Amino acid sequence: GENVEQHPSTLSVQEGDSAVIKCTYSDSASNYFPWYKQELGKRPQLIIDIRSNVGEKKDQRIAVTLNKTAKHFSLHITETQPEDSAVYFCAATTIKAAGNKLTFGGGTRVLVKP
Amino acid sequence: EAGVTQFPSHSVIEKGQTVTLRCDPISGHDNLYWYRRVMGKEIKFLLHFVKESKQDESGMPNNRFLAERTGGTYSTLKVQPAELEDSGVYFCASSQRTSGGSTYNEQFFGPGTRLTVL
Repeated sequence: GENVEQHPSTLSVQEGDSAVIKCTYSDSASNYFPWYKQELGKRPQLIIDIRSNVGEKKDQRIAVTLNKTAKHFSLHITETQPEDSAVYFCAATTIKAAGNKLTFGGGTRVLVKP
Repeated sequence: EAGVTQFPSHSVIEKGQTVTLRCDPISGHDNLYWYRRVMGKEIKFLLHFVKESKQDESGMPNNRFLAERTGGTYSTLKVQPAELEDSGVYFCASSQRTSGGSTYNEQFFGPGTRLTVL
């Protein structure tokens, strides 16, 4: 089955700096990679995703890159703000008609210091 | 639109007792997933319903866990008897019916139920 590793487990950055979270996956059949953000006491929410036929995707201050050959994908947050403080989870799945169970990384706790 | 809801938000029980967790998906969502996060580790898949049918229960840890989705609406996850290692946060997620093999429908998560087994 799929295995997703996520690093680092914790990340502390100064407000305004960039944050990068890296994930690796094992199953070459995986073709969809979502990122979820979980703020303290709240539910995980999808913030950005990428499919295997795309190398990079941006949405305002966040971007995700994918290297299929190396089975790596990364989340980049630029100009970090205090509200970016949260736990971020990467995940991978193979899109199927029968359903799409997500395999998650271990999570990264990001703290943005004002 | 109401999101995925879960009840209770917290549950503290003793080893050997029974606990039932409930998930109400977004109305109209055929797909319902259960996940679990134990001890600050990764969120792990437990099982997947399509309407009332179990599509994939490969993540269920053992036969102490029983999930149901009678009528294809809300779902329950029962743990009987509970063990210490069952402590964690149990998440439910739902998504719209998949219309084809290349379509991904976002999974919307509930707030989770924090289960503590003493």
